Amino acid sequence: DAGVIQSPRHEVTEMGQEVTLRCKPISGHNSLFWYRQTMMRGLELLIYFNNNVPIDDSGMPEDRFSAKMPNASFSTLKIQPSEPRDSAVYFCASSFEVSGELFFGEGSRLTVL
Amino acid sequence: AQRVTQPEKLLSVFKGAPVELKCNYSYSGSPELFWYVQYSRQRLQLLLRHISRESIKGFTADLNKGETSFHLKKPFAQEEDSAMYYCALDDDSNYQLIWGAGTKLIIKP
Repeated sequence: DAGVIQSPRHEVTEMGQEVTLRCKPISGHNSLFWYRQTMMRGLELLIYFNNNVPIDDSGMPEDRFSAKMPNASFSTLKIQPSEPRDSAVYFCASSFEVSGELFFGEGSRLTVL
Repeated sequence: AQRVTQPEKLLSVFKGAPVELKCNYSYSGSPELFWYVQYSRQRLQLLLRHISRESIKGFTADLNKGETSFHLKKPFAQEEDSAMYYCALDDDSNYQLIWGAGTKLIIKP
């Protein structure tokens, strides 16, 4: 297995544009997490899916952020409209059941100008 | 409330010197604790978990329930150990890990 796959690796966009980040979890994992990493705030959990169902999205900063998981092998995180303060590295992680052992993707580094 | 504290944002030691990255937690039950490592521009990955009681890349961590600590140690640091290290707690009543703020470890040649 190639591990958790995220795309794009890097995204530079202008304020106001829509950004879509993608994630393919490890096959067989049924828990998926989206995290945001910044220097100031460290790792923040944005949303958690279990069996493709969003369980908790209380970490999503505001309505500009949305996430979907249409099937077990794909999830998206969308920001619309994007703002400079959204600049961060966004990580997707998956695990089998609810486990402390998370498998992370390589992250999507977002820069909003 | 459950919390994980990593008091040092940055730790710099010379190659060959011992390393100790501190992690303290607050949790009333029996926690499960982890150390994750993130090398430069790479993905976060699990380094070790306390229940396995193993040594990975020369690192060990012992859970001290009396001091509520889970410090990460290595007797002789190597340059390739330079990375960001995160301590995390799985409290079993929640689905998410509780993360420390991370410690950046720099090994000087």
